[in-house]
Amino acid sequence: NAGVTQTPKFQVLKTGQSMTLQCAQDMNHEYMSWYRQDPGMGLRLIHYSVGAGITDQGEVPNGYNVSRSTTEDFPLRLLSAAPSQTSVYFCASSYPRPTGWAEAFFGQGTRLTVV
Amino acid sequence: AQSVTQLGSHVSVSEGALVLLRCNYSSSVPPYLFWYVQYPNQGLQLLLKYTTGATLVKGINGFEAEFKKSETSFHLTKPSAHMSDAAEYFCAVISTGGGNKLTFGTGTQLKVEL
Repeated sequence: NAGVTQTPKFQVLKTGQSMTLQCAQDMNHEYMSWYRQDPGMGLRLIHYSVGAGITDQGEVPNGYNVSRSTTEDFPLRLLSAAPSQTSVYFCASSYPRPTGWAEAFFGQGTRLTVV
Repeated sequence: AQSVTQLGSHVSVSEGALVLLRCNYSSSVPPYLFWYVQYPNQGLQLLLKYTTGATLVKGINGFEAEFKKSETSFHLTKPSAHMSDAAEYFCAVISTGGGNKLTFGTGTQLKVEL
């Protein structure tokens, strides 16, 4: 029962470096999302996807890119890391229901520090 | 646009006392509301959810929440706090536009004291 798996768990970057945060889910969920968590601000949506090949921006997309080539994977790319991107990043997956709404399943998070 | 407001960033209770964590929502459509819990250095775990139907929702670990449309509230309660309940709690609402995206409150850190 892996669920949503995020790698790495911890990362330190220098300003200007690029990197990719990995997210994989094994539940065959159509929907996947990336959030960042900052103290006192809750979680904010960065990007999301409603299926392979379909992505869209969330509340705080600047400085991040995503793509969704498979149902399972939804990587988040930091193009040129900035100290303001120091945060904890969470990936989540979910699925459509004929009625009502399904909950999101979250990974364990990636703690990123940009120095 | 949908939003939620959590009153009180920190709440402290004694073990065995009532837990009450407040959440008010704003929504132009019938809201779908969730409470998630985050233990230290962990991801988020669903406590309970309200979609339609019964307004009193029971969740895991003895928590429950009541949807009150007249008060636009979805407060989380537990009759008797346990030390293991110490965590951060987030109220969230489904955002419009598909994808089951969530808009979160700013969170409430619950401390349980002996």
